Amino acid sequence: TQLLEQSPQFLSIQEGENLTVYCNSSSVFSSLQWYRQEPGEGPVLLVTVVTGGEVKKLKRLTFQFGDARKDSSLHITAAQPGDTGLYLCAGGKGAQKLVFGQGTRLTINP
Amino acid sequence: GAVVSQHPSWVICKSGTSVKIECRSLDFQATTMFWYRQFPKQSLMLMATSNEGSKATYEQGVEKDKFLINHASLTLSTLTVTSAHPEDSSFYICSARDPARDGANVLTFGAGSRLTVL
Repeated sequence: TQLLEQSPQFLSIQEGENLTVYCNSSSVFSSLQWYRQEPGEGPVLLVTVVTGGEVKKLKRLTFQFGDARKDSSLHITAAQPGDTGLYLCAGGKGAQKLVFGQGTRLTINP
Repeated sequence: GAVVSQHPSWVICKSGTSVKIECRSLDFQATTMFWYRQFPKQSLMLMATSNEGSKATYEQGVEKDKFLINHASLTLSTLTVTSAHPEDSSFYICSARDPARDGANVLTFGAGSRLTVL
């Protein structure tokens, strides 16, 4: 059973378009992280959200944590080819191990 | 910031041999490290939690005799794939938690080790 469901799992869009990736769960998490992974490398942390309703911005990326701390979204504005990669959400409960979503493979076409 | 180093970054071995992968925390002490396995175009699957000075905790379905984990110091954990077979070919990634950084649940990942078993 996948505790964190990411959607879409694959997304290919043109440069300049906007997109949103979703991370949903029936469980409550104390924190949720978004990572980005490029081929042949390990994931790199983009952001951590801990408060229900929290919104964080990282340049053209906007992250939101649901009010109930069960879901999160990543919105990218004016996507660029450099945004291409695998985006992973991961939820944590206290000091327990992180649970990862299936990942969203994003391709931005020039 | 926290840095985790993995070595080797890639390795090719013959079927039946054993391969050791090292995971080091370079600028912090990690009492806990995590080992993941990632198949092409898939997400990370946790294999085991490596605990300094004690036995690793393996996830369900992961053979502890196949994937030996040793965490002998606060900065080094090793994963040994014993008697490797082609189906063990995968991307192995370690991570560590730096308690001093953003609370308890932020992980820093190594760059991964790609194992190919011929």
